[in-house]
Amino acid sequence: EPEVTQTPSHQVTQMGQEVILRCVPISNHLYFYWYRQILGQKVEFLVSFYNNEISEKSEIFDDQFSVERPDGSNFTLKIRSTKLEDSAMYFCASSASVGEQFFGPGTRLTVL
Amino acid sequence: GEDVEQSLFLSVREGDSSVINCTYTDSSSTYLYWYKQEPGAGLQLLTYIFSNMDMKQDQRLTVLLNKKDKHLSLRIADTQTGDSAIYFCAESTDNNNDMRFGAGTRLTVKP
Repeated sequence: EPEVTQTPSHQVTQMGQEVILRCVPISNHLYFYWYRQILGQKVEFLVSFYNNEISEKSEIFDDQFSVERPDGSNFTLKIRSTKLEDSAMYFCASSASVGEQFFGPGTRLTVL
Repeated sequence: GEDVEQSLFLSVREGDSSVINCTYTDSSSTYLYWYKQEPGAGLQLLTYIFSNMDMKQDQRLTVLLNKKDKHLSLRIADTQTGDSAIYFCAESTDNNNDMRFGAGTRLTVKP
């Protein structure tokens, strides 16, 4: 069964460093998303991406964040200068149409 | 802003039915979802329902939607220890791509 994959499963970084989180969505899906879940808190929407551009973003997704689909398979989330409060589980999701989203296993980001 | 609320904990005995409840505020919600998250794992889509439906059954899972009260429930029949997890209710609309999640209900199944 096709699934969304994410790498790495755990990323540890120093405050102020740049990180890139990688996702491989399900191959025939056209919509891509990033969410995050701070430990003990709700899953929060960050951004959605369709047709090579951002279609929706939340207040969390400020200038420190960017997304890219560099080739036909990867979908990345870059955090330019990480802060302690960026520590969270980051989930990638994809969908064939608006509606049913399939999530990856997540990348746990720890900022020291 | 729009919100999704769930109770945080539910404990049941193996073999009993579990009912996890969720309320939401966005009257334009079109899709309502239930996701399962096991410890250390990602979000697994269990089932979803369109807002023009009031019930959906899928094996042991039954979703009930009361659109007037904006109330969604997930019933798990014959609950097993493997059902122990956090269950997230989520909603989205046709016009928005983002999905709004509840805080999750931690289901504990006791043998």
